[in-house]
Amino acid sequence: GQQVMQIPQYQHVQEGEDFTTYCNSSTTLSNIQWYKQRPGGHPVFLIQLVKSGEVKKQKRLTFQFGEAKKNSSLHITATQTTDVGTYFCAGRSSNDYKLSFGAGTTVTVRA
Amino acid sequence: GAGVSQSPSNKVTEKGKDVELRCDPISGHTALYWYRQRLGQGLEFLIYFQGNSAPDKSGLPSDRFSAERTGESVSTLTIQRTQQEDSAVYLCASSLRGSSGNTIYFGEGSWLTVV
Repeated sequence: GQQVMQIPQYQHVQEGEDFTTYCNSSTTLSNIQWYKQRPGGHPVFLIQLVKSGEVKKQKRLTFQFGEAKKNSSLHITATQTTDVGTYFCAGRSSNDYKLSFGAGTTVTVRA
Repeated sequence: GAGVSQSPSNKVTEKGKDVELRCDPISGHTALYWYRQRLGQGLEFLIYFQGNSAPDKSGLPSDRFSAERTGESVSTLTIQRTQQEDSAVYLCASSLRGSSGNTIYFGEGSWLTVV
């Protein structure tokens, strides 16, 4: 079955620095979504990417979908303490309603 | 309602007992999902409901787990003869329909602890 892998599992970042988390699928995806889960909270939708090579930005967050639609990345610039949490990617194959989630990248920030 | 509502928010139960977890999806959302998240882990798909179609139960880990949905509204996830490895947060989510591309909205989760 479809598998979605994320690396790194943990990311400890100095406030103000940049970092990137990566997501890879074993199969071609029709779209990929990113969610953020704050400590003790539930996952909240951030963004969806659909097109090959698509790049979307949300303030300091840049999301990219690979040309082959099998990988994605999230890049955060100038990390702030509000960025703390776990970032999940989730992918769907064509005509598949089930979102397969990666294990997540848990981000901690040191001031 | 305004969001996905789950109850109870926390449940502590003794090993061997049965538990029921309830999910009330966003009004008008025909698709409903249950996921399980163990501490520090990712999200594990359990079951999916779409309208009046037969549910996809492929993610249920054992026959101790079952779920029902009344029409396009409330769903109940039942775990029989609970085991300690069932301890996790059980997240319900809903979307407008279950086709590719729709955002799913999560509830706050039901935190289950089996002692």
